Amino acid sequence: AQSVTQLGSHVSVSEGALVLLRCNYSSSVPPYLFWYVQYPNQGLQLLLKYTSAATLVKGINGFEAEFKKSETSFHLTKPSAHMSDAAEYFCAVSPTGFQKLVFGTGTRLLVSP
Amino acid sequence: DTAVSQTPKYLVTQMGNDKSIKCEQNLGHDTMYWYKQDSKKFLKIMFSYNNKELIINETVPNRFSPKSPDKAHLNLHINSLELGDSAVYFCASSQDIGQLAMYFGPGTRLLVL
Repeated sequence: AQSVTQLGSHVSVSEGALVLLRCNYSSSVPPYLFWYVQYPNQGLQLLLKYTSAATLVKGINGFEAEFKKSETSFHLTKPSAHMSDAAEYFCAVSPTGFQKLVFGTGTRLLVSP
Repeated sequence: DTAVSQTPKYLVTQMGNDKSIKCEQNLGHDTMYWYKQDSKKFLKIMFSYNNKELIINETVPNRFSPKSPDKAHLNLHINSLELGDSAVYFCASSQDIGQLAMYFGPGTRLLVL
């Protein structure tokens, strides 16, 4: 079965510091991978997606993620954290690219001044 | 303009009651979903509909019955509510079944007492 593992339920950074949120996937076929962000009391918003094109994917709000097949990883990064980045981030995988997403357990990003 | 809207936003009810949550999307998408987010923020798909047809039913108790009167609406009716049904329910839509860039509604927070 396809799954994703997000390492660290909480990540704390200072404003201006590098953001790194980790996601490893398990899939028997080339996966489609996604990052979603959830701000407090809101629904999820798509940050970026990997669909077997370029391995470095750029998303909204300055975020990007790199697909590394050898490491089965799809980590999310942002060079400089902003206070407004504080939210819950979810990695998700779809084995076939359609029908459904399987979500990770989420990582809460805390940004301090 | 709200892309995916849900009503109500909050729902507090007694065990054993029957309740409905409504979802509407104005994006012209063909596919709609219901996801359940538990108290630990874990997101799990419940149902998906494509052009009013049920595509995914993820072993959800049959007390939960989705209904899609047209492709812009996907409602969720829950019979005989149980304590364990307390969660946040998210409606989402995507352009079609092959496009997993989903747009989520703001969620309905259900509390069963």
